[in-house]
Amino acid sequence: DAGITQSPRHKVTETGTPVTLRCHQTENHRYMYWYRQDPGHGLRLIHYSYGVKDTDKGEVSDGYSVSRSKTEDFLLTLESATSSQTSVYFCAISGSGGVGTDTQYFGPGTRLTVL
Amino acid sequence: AQKVTQAQTEISVVEKEDVTLDCVYETRDTTYYLFWYKQPPSGELVFLIRRNSFDEQNEISGRYSWNFQKSTSSFNFTITASQVVDSAVYFCALSEAYNNNDMRFGAGTRLTVKP
Repeated sequence: DAGITQSPRHKVTETGTPVTLRCHQTENHRYMYWYRQDPGHGLRLIHYSYGVKDTDKGEVSDGYSVSRSKTEDFLLTLESATSSQTSVYFCAISGSGGVGTDTQYFGPGTRLTVL
Repeated sequence: AQKVTQAQTEISVVEKEDVTLDCVYETRDTTYYLFWYKQPPSGELVFLIRRNSFDEQNEISGRYSWNFQKSTSSFNFTITASQVVDSAVYFCALSEAYNNNDMRFGAGTRLTVKP
């Protein structure tokens, strides 16, 4: 199994508070991704990174920011959490060439509840 | 943007039955990649297969087989002689070569295999 961990695994927070989710990999992969999973939508890409300090937006990036200061860590921040951001968040990694040329491996997920 | 449709929301079969999960996709790109992932009740996402648009050969892996047909824009997944351990949500996904970091998932099909 790919060495991907996510923390925390579960979090309950209140509307308006900032939240940061962490994804850590031990595979030295270049590409890292954040997805959210919601019923009826499958997984949707929030942001991704193609290297240290290099990030780009995905399909549902509004309300989220990301940072990558080290190869192994990719942080997802909700600046001011809303109830619509209640979801399960997955981190994924891939090696050399993004999705098309390499398989994406997923972390265990973080269940976030915004009250 | 590309789109993936998994019209079957839920399927229930009895053990040892064969079952086919449908996946229909839309893309304007001539080079693209198709994927299937499995999400068992424990919640993790398990990679099953990746196919590129130039390879229309059907794939068989044990009890699993995949039928890729460009003429109908479909990439269907068949489980032969289903087992209880096959119970999971299965996702089909698509990425286009011109933006291969943007992988789009279908909504998923929940398969329940009863003993």
